Amino acid sequence: SQTIHQWPATLVQPVGSPLSLECTVEGTSNPNLYWYRQAAGRGLQLLFYSVGIGQISSEVPQNLSASRPQDRQFILSSKKLLLSDSGFYLCAWRTPGATYEQYFGPGTRLTVT
Amino acid sequence: AQSVAQPEDQVNVAEGNPLTVKCTYSVSGNPYLFWYVQYPNRGLQFLLKYITGDNLVKGSYGFEAEFNKSQTSFHLKKPSALVSDSALYFCAVRAPGGSARQLTFGSGTQLTVLP
Repeated sequence: SQTIHQWPATLVQPVGSPLSLECTVEGTSNPNLYWYRQAAGRGLQLLFYSVGIGQISSEVPQNLSASRPQDRQFILSSKKLLLSDSGFYLCAWRTPGATYEQYFGPGTRLTVT
Repeated sequence: AQSVAQPEDQVNVAEGNPLTVKCTYSVSGNPYLFWYVQYPNRGLQFLLKYITGDNLVKGSYGFEAEFNKSQTSFHLKKPSALVSDSALYFCAVRAPGGSARQLTFGSGTQLTVLP
């Protein structure tokens, strides 16, 4: 069966510091991968998605970037965090060409101080 | 463009009573529709989906949803609510033939089941 991991689970970082969040998926090959941000426990904002290694699509211009160095690894980064980057970051995957639902990881709670 | 609306930010229901969480959508063509649940500080869990076929879809934890094409709705239902059903619920839509970008999520409805 497939599983998705995210780490760290929680993170407190000062403004101006770098960021690296990691997401890995097991039990599937060539998944579509997604990064979402959820602010204030509500709506989801799609940040990036990827259909393959090195292929990243950005949805919203911002202080963040994403990379996919391996088939089942998706990384969210920032060179300098802003207060507004605080939120709950969710990684998700789906199997392309199959059913259309996405499956979410446990999330990372980021607080920028 | 595709969109989904959840008109109620908050739904309260007594334990044992039926519950309904509303969702309406806008999409070109026949929609693919989904419901997710999120417990505090957790990721979203997939509950059920409608792709085609029977308008009444059954999912996890006793939930079901009814697709109504004329009303462009996909309301989530459960015959008898449990306190443990208290959570944040999201409806999502995808247009057929869409890109990998895929799902558009609603703003979420907080369900509280009162003991």
